[in-house]
Amino acid sequence: AQKITQTQPGMFVQEKEAVTLDCTYDTSDPSYGLFWYKQPSSGEMIFLIYQGSYDQQNATEGRYSLNFQKARKSANLVISASQLGDSAMYFCAVPGYSSASKIIFGSGTRLSIRP
Amino acid sequence: DTAVSQTPKYLVTQMGNDKSIKCEQNLGHDTMYWYKQDSKKFLKIMFSYNNKELIINETVPNRFSPKSPDKAHLNLHINSLELGDSAVYFCASSQDRLWLGPYEQYFGPGTRLTVT
Repeated sequence: AQKITQTQPGMFVQEKEAVTLDCTYDTSDPSYGLFWYKQPSSGEMIFLIYQGSYDQQNATEGRYSLNFQKARKSANLVISASQLGDSAMYFCAVPGYSSASKIIFGSGTRLSIRP
Repeated sequence: DTAVSQTPKYLVTQMGNDKSIKCEQNLGHDTMYWYKQDSKKFLKIMFSYNNKELIINETVPNRFSPKSPDKAHLNLHINSLELGDSAVYFCASSQDRLWLGPYEQYFGPGTRLTVT
């Protein structure tokens, strides 16, 4: 069965600093993808970045990048030059290889940016 | 234009009632989902449809019944509401099934259901 662990329930970071949000997963599927989503206090879920398990390079999207270590089964989200608007819940998600596998979301990390 | 819309945004009702939440997407996506987010922000998949076919049916009480009249719509009907059903329910869509590629989900604004 798949499992996702986000070990940091809450984090405080100074504005303009970089921050790393941890995500480790456990899946037996041979091929999978990793998604990160952001949920601001307004409630909507916003897609940030995707990493495929067979991608050769770490995914990047603007200020967001993934530190993907397949052997360790970790896909940490790095936010560079944090902004006040980055304050939100962040979720890591791993869908399985087939519909027989669950779509699992981690428990989330609440990130607060200090001015 | 709203990509994924849900109605209503807020729903307050009494135990034992039956209620429905509607979801529509105008993205032309093939796959739609229902999620439940509890008070601790834990997000759990409930159902998923691909081209009107049910493809994910997680362990939820059979009081919950999804219906997809066409691939742009996915509704959720809940019978005999209980206090524990209070949560935020999110509808989402993706171009295709998540496990087939980098198909990110687009989420609706959520429906906050409060059962008293």
